[in-house]
Amino acid sequence: DQQVKQNSPSLSVQEGRISILNCDYTNSMFDYFLWYKKYPAEGPTFLISISSIKDKNEDGRFTVFLNKSAKHLSLHIVPSQPGDSAVYFCAAAQGGNTPLVFGKGTRLSVIA
Amino acid sequence: KAGVTQTPRYLIKTRGQQVTLSCSPISGHRSVSWYQQTPGQGLQFLFEYFSETQRNKGNFPGRFSGRQFSNSRSEMNVSTLELGDSALYLCASSLAGGPGANVLTFGAGSRLTVL
Repeated sequence: DQQVKQNSPSLSVQEGRISILNCDYTNSMFDYFLWYKKYPAEGPTFLISISSIKDKNEDGRFTVFLNKSAKHLSLHIVPSQPGDSAVYFCAAAQGGNTPLVFGKGTRLSVIA
Repeated sequence: KAGVTQTPRYLIKTRGQQVTLSCSPISGHRSVSWYQQTPGQGLQFLFEYFSETQRNKGNFPGRFSGRQFSNSRSEMNVSTLELGDSALYLCASSLAGGPGANVLTFGAGSRLTVL
């Protein structure tokens, strides 16, 4: 049973436009959510996180939105740049001392 | 500050063999987690060690094992390799005790190919 789902395996966006990556979860006990970015031949790198007490968190061009009632979160990248082309993983955790549960990832291609 | 170091980066084994992968966490990080990444399954949690004790375990067969040393370095071992074990094995460390409550810093991974 997949607890964190990224239903879009890939997404293509033009440079300068907004990229929206979506993530759904099924476990209502999750209270901390993260996004990671992964380039080929590298490990995932942390991008941005949000706790369940918030519904939005912003860091530069990256904003994460959390809709707890819908069990949905999204990552917005504005404006998108070619260097943002990577695989993005959504992850969730249920309190401290529990493993991060990852989605299968969405490959973002930003076209110049 | 050095990142998470994983060795070897690439290795090829044949079915039935065993393999040991090594991970050196960021200095001061006491929690080390291991994940398997395959194209169809994303990142799947293997296990997590904290202060030399396995604290969390994923849903993998007993052929997958690990340990952590007193200096927080960790190793994972896969015995009796199967073709389906071909994957990128990622190690991640975190500062405080709970990887779920803290940001994981990943290494570049060890890519295992089983022939």
